[in-house]
Amino acid sequence: AQTVTQSQPEMSVQEAETVTLSCTYDTSESDYYLFWYKQPPSRQMILVIRQEAYKQQNATENRFSVNFQKAAKSFSLKISDSQLGDAAMYFCAYRSRDSGYALNFGKGTSLLVTP
Amino acid sequence: EAQVTQNPRYLITVTGKKLTVTCSQNMNHEYMSWYRQDPGLGLRQIYYSMNVEVTDKGDVPEGYKVSRKEKRNFPLILESPSPNQTSLYFCASSLFSIQEKANEQFFGPGTRLTVL
Repeated sequence: AQTVTQSQPEMSVQEAETVTLSCTYDTSESDYYLFWYKQPPSRQMILVIRQEAYKQQNATENRFSVNFQKAAKSFSLKISDSQLGDAAMYFCAYRSRDSGYALNFGKGTSLLVTP
Repeated sequence: EAQVTQNPRYLITVTGKKLTVTCSQNMNHEYMSWYRQDPGLGLRQIYYSMNVEVTDKGDVPEGYKVSRKEKRNFPLILESPSPNQTSLYFCASSLFSIQEKANEQFFGPGTRLTVL
């Protein structure tokens, strides 16, 4: 299985501020897909954003954006104007033919949002 | 409403007592998968299926079985559960095409299993 590393077990951000969650991955493939999932206390897995490796432009979804550095195998998530509802566990995930199109997840980053 | 359903949502059982966790999706998805989530380990894939009658092992298949007799259903079977299978289990599904491998995987609500 491909390795996905989230080096920050916990992060904290103040409401309305910006926070960046880190993710690196290891692969020898050129064609793959990257995702960020959010897991709130309800345990539901919610897709936040996705990035196709062949696209150079960084994906954005409202307050969420990524910084995709293909050569460095880095895929960080930036959350702007943080809200209390953003508090959750965030998982970075990788998908490719080599992984049988399974999602390979990192261990997660727990994000705390303070008022 | 498009969704993935799992049953039961919570289950406490004893070692060795066979159990099945059902998973069903109403989105006509080809791809279905089972994951387990353990603290500090993230989610790990147990088994997956790319279509009816096509299943394959994921990263942690030991102690589990699956079947895919119908497109909508993908049950997870624990023939002889052990305490190390205590975990939170997720079923997921997605469309699967060569052109759309970035398709979102839709997750069920999870099944909390405790094996005593």
